[in-house]
This record gives sequence, C-alpha cells and structure tokens, in this order.
Amino acid sequence: DAGITQSPRHKVTETGTPVTLRCHQTENHRYMYWYRQDPGHGLRLIHYSYGVKDTDKGEVSDGYSVSRSKTEDFLLTLESATSSQTSVYFCAISESNRDRRDEQYFGPGTRLTVT
Amino acid sequence: DQQVKQNSPSLSVQEGRISILNCDYTNSMFDYFLWYKKYPAEGPTFLISISSIKDKNEDGRFTVFLNKSAKHLSLHIVPSQPGDSAVYFCAATDGNYGGSQGNLIFGKGTKLSVKP
Repeated sequence: DAGITQSPRHKVTETGTPVTLRCHQTENHRYMYWYRQDPGHGLRLIHYSYGVKDTDKGEVSDGYSVSRSKTEDFLLTLESATSSQTSVYFCAISESNRDRRDEQYFGPGTRLTVT
Repeated sequence: DQQVKQNSPSLSVQEGRISILNCDYTNSMFDYFLWYKKYPAEGPTFLISISSIKDKNEDGRFTVFLNKSAKHLSLHIVPSQPGDSAVYFCAATDGNYGGSQGNLIFGKGTKLSVKP
C-alpha cells in the first residue's frame, strides 16, 4: 500500500471554527489531491498540488484553502467550518498525472462532522 | 452538469455469476478511464484502467470494455466473489494539462453486493 496517512481520522467541530486536516505521504510523489465524498455525489476534487507551494483549485474549492510547504505534507484548511462541509475527506497522491498509466493512491479518509 | 454517470446506485449478484457495472460519460475529450473499488471506512483503491485507444483491458477476473461511439464503459467481474462487495467508482480524465492538469472526474458510484 502507498504510504499515505491522514490526520485526524475523525473530528467533530462547531460551526465557525477553523479546521485543518493533514495528509502525509512517504512516497515522494509530486501530485497531491484533496477530495470530499458525499452521498449522491461520489468523489469531488477540492484542491490539488503539483509541487511544493504549487496548488490549484478543483471543482468544489469554495470555503477551503490548502498549503504545501514540503513534498510530503498537504494541508486542507476550513477557515470557518459550516455544516455543509460535513463530509468524508480523502487525500490522494500520484507520481505524475501526465502519464496516463499512473493512478491515484488514496489515504484512509477523515470523517469530519460540523455541528 | 455530471460528466461521468453511473446510473445504477446498486447491484446485487450471486456468487460465481458475472457482475456488470456500467458508466457513461458526456465529455468527448475524455481519453483515459479508471475504475476504483471502495470498502467502507477505507480509501478507494485503483482496480483497472483503459486508454481510449483500446476497447478492452483485462486483469484477472476484471475486464473493462470501452465503447467510444456510445461514450460508455463497463466493468465485468467474472466470477463474482463475496469479497468483491464494495462501492465501485468510474473515473475519467481529459488530459487537459493546461487547465485541469488531467484531473480525474468521478461518477457517483455503484454499490455491488455479491451474495453467497
């Protein structure tokens, strides 16, 4: 299995509080991604990174920010959590998505509940 | 607008029989397709992929078929086993390296139940 960990694995927080989720990889892969999974929506891309300090928005980026100061770490921040951000968040990595043969490897997920 | 559609939320089959999971797409620029398998409380895992230059790719019990003219792909599992019970996601990419960087677009998933 690809070396991807996510922390925390579970979190309950109140509306309006800031939350940071961490993704850590030991594979030295260039690309990292944050997805959310919701019933009836499948997996939707929030933000992704194509290198240290290089990030871009995905399909559902509003209300989220990311940072990547090291190859191995990709942080997702909810500046002011809302109930609509209750979801399961997955981090993924890939060596290079310019090579069609490369698939993304996913972490175990973080279940976030905003009350 | 949903670009990758899995119209069957669930599918139930008997052990030993064939499971066929379907996926339709609308973006004619998609040129690489993947299937992921997801167990509860775990992250998705890559299963099999196919490039648009092919119409079939096989890996053990898993075969993916691509019909570009119909913008349709299917995943066949033969024979189905109880351990195959999971949610299966279809994903596609257009390789738009200037914009989306070839990011994956996922369908909503199909929950497969294989009964002993």
